[in-house]
Amino acid sequence: DGGITQSPKYLFRKEGQNVTLSCEQNLNHDAMYWYRQDPGQGLRLIYYSQIVNDFQKGDIAEGYSVSREKKESFPLTVTSAQKNPTAFYLCASTTSFANTGELFFGEGSRLTVL
Amino acid sequence: QQPVQSPQAVILREGEDAVINCSSSKALYSVHWYRQKHGEAPVFLMILLKGGEQKGHEKISASFNEKKQQSSLYLTASQLSYSGTYFCGTPEMNSGYSTLTFGKGTMLLVSP
Repeated sequence: DGGITQSPKYLFRKEGQNVTLSCEQNLNHDAMYWYRQDPGQGLRLIYYSQIVNDFQKGDIAEGYSVSREKKESFPLTVTSAQKNPTAFYLCASTTSFANTGELFFGEGSRLTVL
Repeated sequence: QQPVQSPQAVILREGEDAVINCSSSKALYSVHWYRQKHGEAPVFLMILLKGGEQKGHEKISASFNEKKQQSSLYLTASQLSYSGTYFCGTPEMNSGYSTLTFGKGTMLLVSP
């Protein structure tokens, strides 16, 4: 079955540590996104990418980094520079970047910084 | 700019109707609607395109008025399974790339 797989589902880390969240899709989609969700805030865009080795900052990119070395993979690193990293992180993909169609979401990763 | 959704929350009894509104300060050419159940990923409901086209999904329909820069989601004869948070999303173009900006969501609770 095609879809988006995020891992881990739950992650606990100490303050000051970098963590990497995995996102893999087998939908053959060109465009991939990372969103952050906080209670009452909706989904806010962190980074997005259309093609391999190319990505752009979203609205809240500070303290995050990404890579797109393969079409199917778009990992997100939450760095120690992110002031409030505890949140629910969602990865999504769609077929075309020029005209946003239906977004397919992964199950999400919940990060808690202790 | 984030679209504005109203109301923030709705509590219904099974079988009642509800309307969720989404408005933008920018010109729109389409609006997306998604539903997210607690602890799960958002799921696509429908896209409304410019032209006032109405779409439907089960007993959920929506309208889009591009002149007023608004969209409304209509939930008719609500079922327990409709409970969740509903988000509208509006496309934004940045240097040739399209992204989706979501509203803060409307929480819907349907009780028996």
